[in-house]
Amino acid sequence: AQSVTQPDIHITVSEGASLELRCNYSYGATPYLFWYVQSPGQGLQLLLKYFSGDTLVQGIKGFEAEFKRSQSSFNLRKPSVHWSDAAEYFCAVGRNQGGKLIFGQGTELSVKP
Amino acid sequence: NAGVTQTPKFQVLKTGQSMTLQCAQDMNHNSMYWYRQDPGMGLRLIYYSASEGTTDKGEVPNGYNVSRLNKREFSLRLESAAPSQTSVYFCASSEVWQYNEQFFGPGTRLTVL
Repeated sequence: AQSVTQPDIHITVSEGASLELRCNYSYGATPYLFWYVQSPGQGLQLLLKYFSGDTLVQGIKGFEAEFKRSQSSFNLRKPSVHWSDAAEYFCAVGRNQGGKLIFGQGTELSVKP
Repeated sequence: NAGVTQTPKFQVLKTGQSMTLQCAQDMNHNSMYWYRQDPGMGLRLIYYSASEGTTDKGEVPNGYNVSRLNKREFSLRLESAAPSQTSVYFCASSEVWQYNEQFFGPGTRLTVL
């Protein structure tokens, strides 16, 4: 069965520091992978997605993620965090035939001044 | 374009009461979804509609029913609300079933007393 694990429930980083949020998935075939961000009281916004091709994908707001098939990972990175990046981040996996998404538990990001 | 809209934004029910959550999208998407979000559990799929005229159960369908009223609208009904249904409910849509990229509404925060 498909599953997604985000090992870190809560991460705190200083403004200007680099960020890496971890995501591991379990899926028997080539997955579609997504990162979403949820600001407090808001819905989810797509940051970036991976379907195929280049394993390093660029997203909005300066985020990027790298697909590593050998490690079943799709970690999200940002070189310099801004206070406005404080939010909850969700990794999700879908089948390459389309359809449903499976979400991870989420990682809450706090940013220290 | 408003994207995905949901009504109401907040609702408080007593145990046993019924209500319907409304969702509409103006992106001409074929597929629509209902999720619930609970702390530490990410988003879990309740029901989905791959295309107009079809609905299917997701991961946690018990206690819920859905109606795909037309291509734009997908409602979620709680026939007899229970405290365990206290949650934040999100509606989402995607262009076609084959593409997983989903667009989310702002959510409905439901409390069942």
